[in-house]
Amino acid sequence: DGGITQSPKYLFRKEGQNVTLSCEQNLNHDAMYWYRQDPGQGLRLIYYSQIVNDFQKGDIAEGYSVSREKKESFPLTVTSAQKNPTAFYLCASSQTPTGAPYGYTFGSGTRLTVV
Amino acid sequence: AQKITQTQPGMFVQEKEAVTLDCTYDTSDQSYGLFWYKQPSSGEMIFLIYQGSYDEQNATEGRYSLNFQKARKSANLVISASQLGDSAMYFCAMRPYSSASKIIFGSGTRLSIRP
Repeated sequence: DGGITQSPKYLFRKEGQNVTLSCEQNLNHDAMYWYRQDPGQGLRLIYYSQIVNDFQKGDIAEGYSVSREKKESFPLTVTSAQKNPTAFYLCASSQTPTGAPYGYTFGSGTRLTVV
Repeated sequence: AQKITQTQPGMFVQEKEAVTLDCTYDTSDQSYGLFWYKQPSSGEMIFLIYQGSYDEQNATEGRYSLNFQKARKSANLVISASQLGDSAMYFCAMRPYSSASKIIFGSGTRLSIRP
């Protein structure tokens, strides 16, 4: 079955550490996205990529980095510069750049906690 | 400014009743897409329904329908014959087509279905 796989499901980070969240899709979608969700809030866009080897910053890119070396993969690195990284991270992809009419397909998320 | 507003933080509904989740949006774009997503406690975002700004008819998908009132900038989700499995967070989202690959999410409504 096609879909998006995010790993790990839970991740613990020590202060000053960089950690990488994995996102893999087998839907043959060109566009991929990373969102952050804080408790009781909606999703905020971190980074997005419309094609391989190209990506753009979203609304809250500071302290994060991404790469898009393969169409299937869009890993997110949370760097030590991100001062408040504890959150739920969701990866998504879309068949069309606008998301219409099928919407985005989301992974099951990674819950990151700073210890 | 582009914005999505969901004014109902939480709702309780009796099983088998219909429920309306409110959503208003603000955009200066003439072309845009509107989406509704369901987020169960597992965290995954599930696409429910899409409405294009130029679609003349309200979108429907099974028990879900979108009550689109363009002049009021309103895109309410109607769930008919609610079921216990409908208990979840519901997010309204908008994609202005002038904004490259950027879906904006509301803060969500937590829907609880009573047996």
